Amino acid sequence: GNSVTQMEGPVTLSEEAFLTINCTYTATGYPSLFWYVQYPGEGLQLLLKATKADDKGSNKGFEATYRKETTSFHLEKGSVQVSDSAVYFCVVQGAQKLVFGQGTRLTINP
Amino acid sequence: GAVVSQHPSRVICKSGTSVKIECRSLDFQATTMFWYRQFPKQSLMLMATSNEGSKATYEQGVEKDKFLINHASLTLSTLTVTSAHPEDSSFYICSARDEPNQPQHFGDGTRLSIL
Repeated sequence: GNSVTQMEGPVTLSEEAFLTINCTYTATGYPSLFWYVQYPGEGLQLLLKATKADDKGSNKGFEATYRKETTSFHLEKGSVQVSDSAVYFCVVQGAQKLVFGQGTRLTINP
Repeated sequence: GAVVSQHPSRVICKSGTSVKIECRSLDFQATTMFWYRQFPKQSLMLMATSNEGSKATYEQGVEKDKFLINHASLTLSTLTVTSAHPEDSSFYICSARDEPNQPQHFGDGTRLSIL
């Protein structure tokens, strides 16, 4: 079945730093890929998605490119803010189900 | 758009009681709803998938008699934790989607604490 491996956390950065959270996946076919974000005490929110190879998803300054050749979907942001502190999940969509990575906790210090 | 409302957000109850959690899609028809469980600092574990009007499909290791799921309409699914015990304490999250190729939209979760 599909699986996702993402960068272990926690990750702590200073405000305005560059962020990369690595994510690689294994899957059959051409699954859709997502990044979800979970703020403290809340459910998950869709951050961005990509549905085919070379697609770039982007939202709120975050970007991720669907790289089929390296089976990766790394999340990047050029300048993080304190409000970006949250847990980030890389997710691959199988036939009917979502498969979640283990999550990466990000803390941004002012 | 695509709002999923989950209620209650938090519940504390005594061991042995049953607890019902509601998940509603407010502005779209949710043909499929999903129930997840999340342990502290861990990822989401899919418990079951429910399609409107059909019996839920449970993941391996999830007790269907313990976690009763009803999806009687296109906007509402319920999860009932029967005879809850302290080990059932967890964060339960629902999600919903209208079509298979569309993203799932998540509720804000329910924190269940069994004393």
